[in-house]
Amino acid sequence: GAGVSQTPSNKVTEKGKYVELRCDPISGHTALYWYRQSLGQGPEFLIYFQGTGAADDSGLPNDRFFAVRPEGSVSTLKIQRTERGDSAVYLCASSLRVSTDTQYFGPGTRLTVL
Amino acid sequence: KQEVTQIPAALSVPEGENLVLNCSFTDSAIYNLQWFRQDPGKGLTSLLLIQSSQREQTSGRLNASLDKSSGRSTLYIAASQPGDSATYLCAVIFAGANSKLTFGKGITLSVRP
Repeated sequence: GAGVSQTPSNKVTEKGKYVELRCDPISGHTALYWYRQSLGQGPEFLIYFQGTGAADDSGLPNDRFFAVRPEGSVSTLKIQRTERGDSAVYLCASSLRVSTDTQYFGPGTRLTVL
Repeated sequence: KQEVTQIPAALSVPEGENLVLNCSFTDSAIYNLQWFRQDPGKGLTSLLLIQSSQREQTSGRLNASLDKSSGRSTLYIAASQPGDSATYLCAVIFAGANSKLTFGKGITLSVRP
């Protein structure tokens, strides 16, 4: 079956603009995760959903970042008033359940803030 | 602070060599540990998942071991090939961490023909 997909693959925006990044998890996976990866670093956790609710949003850097998963499937990561420091690859992952299951990652969205 | 460390940051070996990639973590209370592969400009591909109750997992030429008491895991790659060239990332779900993976910075492996 299809893996995790993310759109767009690349996004270039200007400082101060609003962006939305989309993630389509593997069908039937109840858990969905967002991570951010800067150049030369490992991914860093942002937020995780169990079903429709955000179970842990402790990794969101500030209140400019927000994510939703209204129907328990597709998720959107929203960034307001983008800053140059937000430039990174945003990775989405999903797993069948939580804690003990393999997380499967999408190809990522490369965000560049000019 | 719960951290994952991978040293060295880069490794270059000739084709055919057996090699070991190391990963260390600061807290022995973990749910599981995953090894991932990342090709340049791509997402992460899961290689092996070791649950906290397990000692090792094998898939083809790959074998991963877990020693919780010492806070270490190793990824063994047998008979390395140029196609194995990639960055290998180790990630841990620490107990009480709500399923979030904590990653090391990765080891960039180059296998020379």
